[in-house]
Amino acid sequence: TQLLEQSPQFLSIQEGENLTVYCNSSSVFSSLQWYRQEPGEGPVLLVTVVTGGEVKKLKRLTFQFGDARKDSSLHITAAQPGDTGLYLCAGARNSGYALNFGKGTSLLVTP
Amino acid sequence: DVKVTQSSRYLVKRTGEKVFLECVQDMDHENMFWYRQDPGLGLRLIYFSYDVKMKEKGDIPEGYSVSREKKERFSLILESASTNQTSMYLCASARRFSNQPQHFGDGTRLSIL
Repeated sequence: TQLLEQSPQFLSIQEGENLTVYCNSSSVFSSLQWYRQEPGEGPVLLVTVVTGGEVKKLKRLTFQFGDARKDSSLHITAAQPGDTGLYLCAGARNSGYALNFGKGTSLLVTP
Repeated sequence: DVKVTQSSRYLVKRTGEKVFLECVQDMDHENMFWYRQDPGLGLRLIYFSYDVKMKEKGDIPEGYSVSREKKERFSLILESASTNQTSMYLCASARRFSNQPQHFGDGTRLSIL
């Protein structure tokens, strides 16, 4: 059972466009993390959101945690080729040590 | 910076062989994890460990075992490798609680022939 559903699965856009990636669940998470993975490397943490309704910005990336802590979104403004990669969301439950990962959104930004 | 080092970037083995994948972290993290990553399936947790000699099964433990004799080292063992275990294997470490970020190694691409 996939606890976290990410959409879209693939996204190919041109430099300068805006985009939004979604991470949805029917489960409540104590926090949600976003990672980016580049080819040949492991995922790297971008941000952790903890409070329902929380918005965090990382340069051109804006992350939002849903009010009910069941979903999250990642918005990229004026995408650049350097944003290309696999974006993964991961939810932490209140109990246990493991994260539940979504399947990822593969983003390609072409010049 | 946290560094998680996986012993091999690429590995080719034959069916039936016993395969060892090693992972070392240098930040004194309590938790360590092994995942496999396959196209269309995302990251799937194989096993994790929250302390020395302690282990918990993840979502897909069948065909695998793990060992954590020292805090900094977490080994994944394929007891008798099969072709369906061809995959990218990722190791991660984190501080104790699940809301702590996980720090990943660069992965081992394992091919079983």
